[in-house]
Amino acid sequence: GENVEQHPSTLSVQEGDSAVIKCTYSDSASNYFPWYKQELGKRPQLIIDIRSNVGEKKDQRIAVTLNKTAKHFSLHITETQPEDSAVYFCAASEDNQGGKLIFGQGTELSVKP
Amino acid sequence: GAGVSQSPSNKVTEKGKDVELRCDPISGHTALYWYRQSLGQGLEFLIYFQGNSAPDKSGLPSDRFSAERTGGSVSTLTIQRTQQEDSAVYLCASSLARSGGADEQFFGPGTRLTVL
Repeated sequence: GENVEQHPSTLSVQEGDSAVIKCTYSDSASNYFPWYKQELGKRPQLIIDIRSNVGEKKDQRIAVTLNKTAKHFSLHITETQPEDSAVYFCAASEDNQGGKLIFGQGTELSVKP
Repeated sequence: GAGVSQSPSNKVTEKGKDVELRCDPISGHTALYWYRQSLGQGLEFLIYFQGNSAPDKSGLPSDRFSAERTGGSVSTLTIQRTQQEDSAVYLCASSLARSGGADEQFFGPGTRLTVL
């Protein structure tokens, strides 16, 4: 089955700097890759997603890149702000598996003012 | 509109007791998922329902865990003979699952289960 590895487990940046979180997946059939943000004590919320027919997607300060050949995808946050501090999870899913998400272990991002 | 709701928000039980956790998905969402999040850990897939199809139970950790979805809406996750290692936050999510496949999942607030 699918296995998703996520790095780093913790990341500390200064406000205004960029943050990059990387994930690799094992199942070449996976075709949907969402990123979720989870603030302390709250539910995970989708911040951006990408499908395998696209190499890059951007939404304001957030972008995701996908390399299908290497089976890895990354989250890029530019101009970080203190409110970006949270745990970020990547996930992989396959349409033929009904869309069940296999999550990475999470990255705790801390943005210092 | 209303999001995914779960009840109870917190549940404390004694080892060996059975518990039932409830999930109300977003109206019109055909897919419903259960995940488990242990303290400081990622989310672990448990079970998935899509329409009238047989559920995908591949993530259930043992036969003490079961789930049902009645009328294509509300779902109940049951844990029998609870163990201390079952302590975790149980999250439910629902999705439109357009074309029956992967789609944005909306999560509920979770049920925090503590087994003493």
